Amino acid sequence: EAGVTQSPTHLIKTRGQQATLRCSPISGHTSVYWYQQALGLGLQFLLWYDEGEERNRGNFPPRFSGRQFPNYSSELNVNALELEDSALYLCASSLGTGGHNEQFFGPGTRLTVL
Amino acid sequence: GQQVMQIPQYQHVQEGEDFTTYCNSSTTLSNIQWYKQRPGGHPVFLIQLVKSGEVKKQKRLTFQFGEAKKNSSLHITATQTTDVGTYFCAGRVTTDSWGKLQFGAGTQVVVTP
Repeated sequence: EAGVTQSPTHLIKTRGQQATLRCSPISGHTSVYWYQQALGLGLQFLLWYDEGEERNRGNFPPRFSGRQFPNYSSELNVNALELEDSALYLCASSLGTGGHNEQFFGPGTRLTVL
Repeated sequence: GQQVMQIPQYQHVQEGEDFTTYCNSSTTLSNIQWYKQRPGGHPVFLIQLVKSGEVKKQKRLTFQFGEAKKNSSLHITATQTTDVGTYFCAGRVTTDSWGKLQFGAGTQVVVTP
């Protein structure tokens, strides 16, 4: 069974540009989560999608947005990139929306903003 | 602000020794999950605790959920070099059905042979 996949692996952008990160969940998983992990820091929750709907959002500005497609894959968009947006962006998926479901993480996208 | 706190932030352990990392929440949690992230890797689920006072073991790892469901601990006995990595706890606030899983900042474990 394939795990969570993310693309691209690395992304280099300049300040002010826009970045699009993609995630494909494990087959059968309907929930997708996005996290930001800055160097040496923990996981900061960004967004949670389930069945195409945004269920919860972390404390990030509106220039961080995303969506979930009918096939449950997801996209994270970051507009007007700032230097501090440089981080590892992790996507995770889980079965349904139950609060007790474990999350399976993808390998992440390393975003570098110059 | 961050509701789930982990201590210590760093843990240097001699191979063969035991150590414990702690997770504390300001609010009651419906469940607590533990994840391990190896250097350069992504977090991998270890275990979930749901019941008050619950204790679960995985070989040399012992996980505990506090009676008040506000704290948890991970105890590793006879540490090995394979235990290197960052251990995260994550909990969901009881009252919020759409509550996000709140991760602690993690305990980074370094093992000295």
